[in-house]
Amino acid sequence: SQQGEEDPQALSIQEGENATMNCSYKTSINNLQWYRQNSGRGLVHLILIRSNEREKHSGRLRVTLDTSKKSSSLLITASRAADTASYFCATFIEAGNNRKLIWGLGTSLAVNP
Amino acid sequence: DAGVIQSPRHEVTEMGQEVTLRCKPISGHNSLFWYRQTMMRGLELLIYFNNNVPIDDSGMPEDRFSAKMPNASFSTLKIQPSEPRDSAVYFCASSPGPRYGYTFGSGTRLTVV
Repeated sequence: SQQGEEDPQALSIQEGENATMNCSYKTSINNLQWYRQNSGRGLVHLILIRSNEREKHSGRLRVTLDTSKKSSSLLITASRAADTASYFCATFIEAGNNRKLIWGLGTSLAVNP
Repeated sequence: DAGVIQSPRHEVTEMGQEVTLRCKPISGHNSLFWYRQTMMRGLELLIYFNNNVPIDDSGMPEDRFSAKMPNASFSTLKIQPSEPRDSAVYFCASSPGPRYGYTFGSGTRLTVV
């Protein structure tokens, strides 16, 4: 089963509205990362939040992490049509020599002009 | 920096042919990752290298797949012989280390007919 699961799978909003995407995971993590992927392109790293951090900001992006609930959320404020993309969370787990970044299946965001 | 550079961008080949995908990571990044992305299975890690040494190749589907990193600035992923089910987008990514965010290349879209 997936370590990281994004919710919702798809989201459609109007330009100017806020978009919130959630990610849940199962095991303890070292950090959690959010990426964006535009259609036909590679993934772009947005924010990395470490397990001892609770909130991080980058421009219009705000990421929260609740390790007790094993969940994270990505908030995009004042969305623009250019924010239309798929958004993935990835959890970095480290157990001895086993280090892995495990990906969810993504949330598809459509921002309508 | 030009980012992670992958070639070719598109490859169409016949079943049974050998396919070689190439990647140039960002200078100074010690970790390099090969991923495969399909609609059905999402993003799958095939193999990752740290300091040019393969660390985890458990995601390589079968013996038809092989990857090399002869030096810090170049890696190849080879499929021989190729099969239609190998059709996917293959991404290369690099990072300063496994705990850091990744920079992805633009991907190679492989179609095996």
